[in-house]
Amino acid sequence: GNSVTQMEGPVTLSEEAFLTINCTYTATGYPSLFWYVQYPGEGLQLLLKATKADDKGSNKGFEATYRKETTSFHLEKGSVQVSDSAVYFCALSSGGSNYKLTFGKGTLLTVNP
Amino acid sequence: ETGVTQSPTHLIKTRGQQVTLRCSSQSGHNTVSWYQQALGQGPQFIFQYYREEENGRGNFPPRFSGLQFPNYSSELNVNALELDDSALYLCASSLQGGDGYTFGSGTRLTVV
Repeated sequence: GNSVTQMEGPVTLSEEAFLTINCTYTATGYPSLFWYVQYPGEGLQLLLKATKADDKGSNKGFEATYRKETTSFHLEKGSVQVSDSAVYFCALSSGGSNYKLTFGKGTLLTVNP
Repeated sequence: ETGVTQSPTHLIKTRGQQVTLRCSSQSGHNTVSWYQQALGQGPQFIFQYYREEENGRGNFPPRFSGLQFPNYSSELNVNALELDDSALYLCASSLQGGDGYTFGSGTRLTVV
């Protein structure tokens, strides 16, 4: 079955540091890949997505590239802000963007001023 | 355009009781999915409803059931509550064939 493995947190960075959160997946076929963000006390918000190999998703300075050869979708940001503090989830869907999502366990990011 | 609204935001139930959680989908969306997020874990897919019928189910027992209404709103019912059912329950709406989910803020269920 499908599964997602992402690096365990928590991750603590200083403002303006470089961020990488690793994500690898196992799936049949060609899944769509997502990063979701969850701020304290809130639901999930889609951060970015990629639907085919070599696609790069980007939003709010975050980027991730769909690497089929390494089954990876690592999240990066060049300069984090305090407001980026949240839990980040990597997810995949085998049936299109609105079919069931399989999530990783989440990575808590804390950015200090 | 309104987003996804869930109610209640928090509730506490006793083991063995039954609970109903409610979700109003985003305007224009016709599909509703439910997820269970245990503390410190990623969300787990419970089921999806489309055209008032179950359209896919995750690995949850039959005591988890749902409904979708003609206005596309939905309910999640859980019978015979167990302590392990304590979690954040997330509703997400989408348009069948569309481009992704909109999640609600969730209902925090505590079973004591």
